[in-house]
Amino acid sequence: QSVLTQPPSVSGAPGQRVTISCTGSSSNIGAGYDVRWYQLLPGTAPKLLIYGNNNRPSGVPDRFSGSNSGTSASLAITGLQAEDEADYYCQSYDSSLSGSVFGTGTKVTVL
Amino acid sequence: QVQLVESGGGVVQPGRSLRISCAASGFTFNDYAVHWVRQAPGKGLEWVAVISYDGSKKYYADSVKGRFTISRDNSKNALYLQMNSLRVDDTAVYYCARSSLVWDYMDVWGKGTTVTVSS
Repeated sequence: QSVLTQPPSVSGAPGQRVTISCTGSSSNIGAGYDVRWYQLLPGTAPKLLIYGNNNRPSGVPDRFSGSNSGTSASLAITGLQAEDEADYYCQSYDSSLSGSVFGTGTKVTVL
Repeated sequence: QVQLVESGGGVVQPGRSLRISCAASGFTFNDYAVHWVRQAPGKGLEWVAVISYDGSKKYYADSVKGRFTISRDNSKNALYLQMNSLRVDDTAVYYCARSSLVWDYMDVWGKGTTVTVSS
């Protein structure tokens, strides 16, 4: 069972803004460990979207942004596009487990 | 180009062993830590293990500790995962991914290799 909790699904119409929450605890996000976000499309390699809480690798559109507050983090997608339909995962380090942890995952559906 | 390619997956009976590999190309392999991450059917991502750039540090998820061993051969630009005492719940797609430091973000991933544990 993951220590980072995400909503199972979110949806939005093209052009809208959606947010995905990632709720952790004092041993991971609340301890100040960086949060990263990854996108998974079926049959393809997972893709890094956000690192260092709100930094985007080269090639990731600025429609994607991250934020942190206390023991939670969020990924926002603005100007939602059909190609954004995918699964999204948050990830951080957990000091109690002494290892990396992923969120439960969120499926984004473009209506 | 920068690439990670997993191989060695297959069908194996419970209790048996399997070794999967990850071949790196397009970057200086021994500058990076490397992870194994898995995704069981219908489930989310689960971090499995990580090895430091020189192989001196290894860390494992509790679910595989004592059964799986991560290793690397920098002369061959290769990463390995030796999986012993396999269980049905080890069935998953196994991805390798690199990071600059052991607990840093994973910026390059492979497409995965499928391991099925079934009698």
